[in-house]
Amino acid sequence: DAKTTQPNSMESNEEEPVHLPCNHSTISGTDYIHWYRQLPSQGPEYVIHGLTSNVNNRMASLAIAEDRKSSTLILHRATLRDAAVYYCIRAGWGAQKLVFGQGTRLTINP
Amino acid sequence: GAVVSQHPSRVICKSGTSVKIECRSLDFQATTMFWYRQFPKQSLMLMATSNEGSKATYEQGVEKDKFLINHASLTLSTLTVTSAHPEDSSFYICSASVRGRGNQPQHFGDGTRLSIL
Repeated sequence: DAKTTQPNSMESNEEEPVHLPCNHSTISGTDYIHWYRQLPSQGPEYVIHGLTSNVNNRMASLAIAEDRKSSTLILHRATLRDAAVYYCIRAGWGAQKLVFGQGTRLTINP
Repeated sequence: GAVVSQHPSRVICKSGTSVKIECRSLDFQATTMFWYRQFPKQSLMLMATSNEGSKATYEQGVEKDKFLINHASLTLSTLTVTSAHPEDSSFYICSASVRGRGNQPQHFGDGTRLSIL
């Protein structure tokens, strides 16, 4: 049980922002929200993670709802290389195992 | 950034052969390593969690005698698929993380595609 809900697929255009939603309505107070992405025939790649506050790094931004029941991964300016399956995962403190759901397959149109 | 190297990237072998896959953390010490399996068009499924110097913890339904995991050092874990059969053909992926420093992300290898004929 991945305990998160994501749309199966999304489509966007190159150089436009992309907002990938994730629902985690049963999240516990100590669970972090992680995002990973997987390009074809590769292992997943870490994107970003957070607990309560919004987070930014060089790859993306993570906006977490105030009640923590949902979050949004924001790619500010999509490129063709951002086409991948994006996984939103709840994970507890420390080096916890990750439970992958089906993720969102993101297609970027040139 | 943290790099995890997985070797080999692809294996094709006959049924009944045992296959060993290596997972190395190149620039950090991985106290915990994870092994996943991914079938075509499916998501990753965790097989086992391995802590350095101790026995691996296997997920329900994963045969520990078939999938042997060794994590003898802080930079190397190995997965051996014993007496592999065609149904073991899959994409095997390892990841590594450091325990005890807050909520750390996992760093993944590029996977090993195993094909059993």
